[in-house]
Amino acid sequence: KQEVTQIPAALSVPEGENLVLNCSFTDSAIYNLQWFRQDPGKGLTSLLLIQSSQREQTSGRLNASLDKSSGRSTLYIAASQPGDSATYLCAVGGSYIPTFGRGTSLIVHP
Amino acid sequence: NAGVMQNPRHLVRRRGQEARLRCSPMKGHSHVYWYRQLPEEGLKFMVYLQKENIIDESGMPKERFSAEFPKEGPSILRIQQVVRGDSAAYFCASSTLAGPSNTGELFFGEGSRLTVL
Repeated sequence: KQEVTQIPAALSVPEGENLVLNCSFTDSAIYNLQWFRQDPGKGLTSLLLIQSSQREQTSGRLNASLDKSSGRSTLYIAASQPGDSATYLCAVGGSYIPTFGRGTSLIVHP
Repeated sequence: NAGVMQNPRHLVRRRGQEARLRCSPMKGHSHVYWYRQLPEEGLKFMVYLQKENIIDESGMPKERFSAEFPKEGPSILRIQQVVRGDSAAYFCASSTLAGPSNTGELFFGEGSRLTVL
């Protein structure tokens, strides 16, 4: 059974810092990995999708990497802004059922 | 191109009543997932459906819960005789493809928040 862990569970940083959020998974036989953000009381917004054959994906200030052999993905946020405050979740796509971590709650203060 | 639409956004039920949550996937998507989220917890898989078929319902309680995705119309998650422990946010996600060799990019709705009094 796939297990997904996200570290840290919570993070509070001043504006402008570069951040790394971690996602680890126990079964390396995955097909893709997707990063989401969730604002309070809202649904999940897709940020980046990395297929198993890829090593990384970039979108604006976000960069996600994937290392299947070590069971890890990182989400790098450059020059963080208060608007980046949200919960970030990773989802590992295996056979049929994507498995989610519990998320990292990020606060970026001015 | 509308996203995943869920309704109602908020639903209040008394213990013993029925709750029906609806999900219209993105246009062209034939794969639907339902997840439940409790406060301070992650998303827990409930059921995965394709048009007219339940593919995997291993995360859904066997009693009181059912789901369907008819040929026409939205997917419906039905909870009979609700109890206080059913209070949660229920999210629907859709995808263009899924299967043993891939799970496609997921797109989520805004969720339905069920409160059981």
